[in-house]
Amino acid sequence: KAGVTQTPRYLIKTRGQQVTLSCSPISGHRSVSWYQQTPGQGLQFLFEYFSETQRNKGNFPGRFSGRQFSNSRSEMNVSTLELGDSALYLCASRGSNEKLFFGSGTQLSVL
Amino acid sequence: DAKTTQPPSMDCAEGRAANLPCNHSTISGNEYVYWYRQIHSQGPQYIIHGLKNNETNEMASLIITEDRKSSTLILPHATLRDTAVYYCIVRISGGYQKVTFGTGTKLQVIP
Repeated sequence: KAGVTQTPRYLIKTRGQQVTLSCSPISGHRSVSWYQQTPGQGLQFLFEYFSETQRNKGNFPGRFSGRQFSNSRSEMNVSTLELGDSALYLCASRGSNEKLFFGSGTQLSVL
Repeated sequence: DAKTTQPPSMDCAEGRAANLPCNHSTISGNEYVYWYRQIHSQGPQYIIHGLKNNETNEMASLIITEDRKSSTLILPHATLRDTAVYYCIVRISGGYQKVTFGTGTKLQVIP
């Protein structure tokens, strides 16, 4: 099976812009979760989607949003980018026994 | 907030066993302990998980104390490729949770 695919791998934006990141889960996995990773904060949970519905959300402002499509692919959007949004954004799909399978991430730099 | 506590860093000599501790004193009866590791700039990789019994697979062993308030991940013969950040998390089976990985333990395997 192909692994979790995230695109793009790298992204450079300027403050005030918005960005959309994409995640394709492992075939057959219906749950997709998103995480933000920064050097000081570690891996922080953003949200989780299952069957096109957001099931849980972390403590992030409303500028961070997501959605899931009928084929389980997911996108996350960050609007009005701030310098502090620079981070590695990871998505994971959930398999049997609640194991998480992560993609390689999107490295976002906000200038 | 993370429900686990790990030391920020550890060193281990190549070929020796690496023992990585994790405290999860508020773990609930239906929460499992999961371990992941992240090699620089890649997504985290699942290692092992357990509920209350000790577990072993091809990568590692997991020892959970009888009161379940702490656990230890054991890499029996550490190699340079085991240098990574190791995360311990707790989560229930099924359902949707805000799983936060925290900052983990940076394991440095020394030649």
